[in-house]
Amino acid sequence: AQTVTQSQPEMSVQEAETVTLSCTYDTSESDYYLFWYKQPPSRQMILVIRQEAYKQQNATENRFSVNFQKAAKSFSLKISDSQLGDAAMYFCAYRTAGRTGANSKLTFGKGITLSVRP
Amino acid sequence: DAGITQSPRHKVTETGTPVTLRCHQTENHRYMYWYRQDPGHGLRLIHYSYGVKDTDKGEVSDGYSVSRSKTEDFLLTLESATSSQTSVYFCAISEWAEAFFGQGTRLTVV
Repeated sequence: AQTVTQSQPEMSVQEAETVTLSCTYDTSESDYYLFWYKQPPSRQMILVIRQEAYKQQNATENRFSVNFQKAAKSFSLKISDSQLGDAAMYFCAYRTAGRTGANSKLTFGKGITLSVRP
Repeated sequence: DAGITQSPRHKVTETGTPVTLRCHQTENHRYMYWYRQDPGHGLRLIHYSYGVKDTDKGEVSDGYSVSRSKTEDFLLTLESATSSQTSVYFCAISEWAEAFFGQGTRLTVV
């Protein structure tokens, strides 16, 4: 079974600085997706970024970028120029790329709470 | 935003009573999921569906059942609610890769 591990329960960053959130996963599959989701105090789950395992290039969305290390099964999120609105819980998630029913599970880590200091 | 509606948004119920949460989508996505979120546990999958009448168990399925008789609706039933089922419940939908989430239902079992 696939597992997703976020070992840091909390992190803090100074406004305008850069922070990296760590995530590791375990799978025997070769083709899969990885995601970072953000959950602000409103409780809404918001997709931040997506990475396809077959792509070597790291995904980037504005101030958010990932460092995808497939061999090490590591998928970290870097937030540049941190803003107060980035304060939230962040979840790493994994999904197999197969299209059969049993492959449609989306597995989450336990999350990390990010605080931003003004 | 993806068209996902969860109902009710908040519910307080008594131990031992049955409870049904509803997830409705307007996106015609194939996959639908029910998660529960508890402090220190992240999001844990309860049940999921990969088509009408096609469902399967997740990692915390005991005490829960689901039904999907139409593409747009995915129902989660707590057969006999217990205090350990007090949680925030999220529905999610997906077609290709990423999932889109509803706003969550806060369920309190007293």
